[in-house]
Amino acid sequence: TQLLEQSPQFLSIQEGENLTVYCNSSSVFSSLQWYRQEPGEGPVLLVTVVTGGEVKKLKRLTFQFGDARKDSSLHITAAQPGDTGLYLCAAPSYAGGTSYGKLTFGQGTILTVHP
Amino acid sequence: GAGVSQTPSNKVTEKGKYVELRCDPISGHTALYWYRQSLGQGPEFLIYFQGTGAADDSGLPNDRFFAVRPEGSVSTLKIQRTERGDSAVYLCASSLNPHEQFFGPGTRLTVL
Repeated sequence: TQLLEQSPQFLSIQEGENLTVYCNSSSVFSSLQWYRQEPGEGPVLLVTVVTGGEVKKLKRLTFQFGDARKDSSLHITAAQPGDTGLYLCAAPSYAGGTSYGKLTFGQGTILTVHP
Repeated sequence: GAGVSQTPSNKVTEKGKYVELRCDPISGHTALYWYRQSLGQGPEFLIYFQGTGAADDSGLPNDRFFAVRPEGSVSTLKIQRTERGDSAVYLCASSLNPHEQFFGPGTRLTVL
């Protein structure tokens, strides 16, 4: 079983601050995904990283996949109250070299950005 | 709407009762997934359908849980003899390709 450890579990910051969320494992992944979930809603895919060392940017969000493809980070610059939510990393399962979509999620990081 | 819908949004039942949770996937999506999310945790995989068949049911916790997708579209998750530990949000997702799943809002099940 692939185990994804996210840290920190809770993060409470003021508007305008920067933050980083980490997703770590002892397993090597073919790809990792980051999701954001708001209360009463399902997770929404933010990004998929597939190449070791890859960096992807989505506005004020920067995602990095570790060189060894065992870890990933999400960095938010100048956080806004609208960034508040549960951030989840997830690893798709593979069979025969093909992803079939079954996701294993980390426990999540609850981010609260205060105005 | 064009998204995944789930009904009911909330379900309160008594211990020992039977419940059915419904998922309407995005039209044309061949893959459908059920996950369960406990408070403060990430979703846990339950079962995956490709078309009408269950391609992977390794996440179902025991034989009280069963899911069907008879026509390859709507799916129903069935829980028999509910227990208090079954209380959680049950999420459904659908996809056309395995790299992007679209989640519904979930059904919050409370077993008293």
